[in-house]
Amino acid sequence: QVQLQQWGAGLLKSSETLSLTCGVYGDSFSGFYWTWIRQPPGKGLEWVGQIDQWGSTRYNPSLKSRLTISIDTSKNQFSLILTSLTAADTAVYYCARGPPDGFDPWGQGTLVTVSS
Amino acid sequence: DIQMTQSPPTLSASVGDTVTITCRASQSISTWLAWYQQKPGKAPNVLIYKVSTLESGVPSRFSGSASGTEFALTISSLQPDDFATYYCQQYNTYPYTFGQGTKLEIK
Repeated sequence: QVQLQQWGAGLLKSSETLSLTCGVYGDSFSGFYWTWIRQPPGKGLEWVGQIDQWGSTRYNPSLKSRLTISIDTSKNQFSLILTSLTAADTAVYYCARGPPDGFDPWGQGTLVTVSS
Repeated sequence: DIQMTQSPPTLSASVGDTVTITCRASQSISTWLAWYQQKPGKAPNVLIYKVSTLESGVPSRFSGSASGTEFALTISSLQPDDFATYYCQQYNTYPYTFGQGTKLEIK
């Protein structure tokens, strides 16, 4: 049974860079997309972007200029880097596997707070 | 971006009731539609994908359907564990987008 475990700094200041990593345990990267999703406190879900096993990425256009998603198949990990943070980036960030069968499973989530 | 208009935002119901949550896509998404359940402080869990395919382990009282660009999640015989927030999501066209959510509350 595949499990996702994520880690990274949760308290950052405006203009700093967010770095999160998601480890995949119990399965390989083959045949799946690997995704980041975020959820501002008390609000809905926003798809951030995805990467496949070959390193091909798709980003949300609203974040594209600040976003990099990368993959390390040797470590079964994928990562998110988001630069030039503002308060609007404050959210719980989730990693997840998928599609095509929806997004499943999900990581435990990381609350990222951006302060001024 | 494809807009997913989900309704109602809040739904009050009792244990044993049958409820339906709907989601309308602003354009065709074929059958690339999933439903998620989220409880406070937890990550969402997929219930249904490809409109009507039930995720393994999800009770059969959950079902999904579609008519054109309108999609529905029906929960039959509500159980106490079903009171949560539900989201639809299209994954036909980038950027993938979610509905605004429906909070299912106990009446």
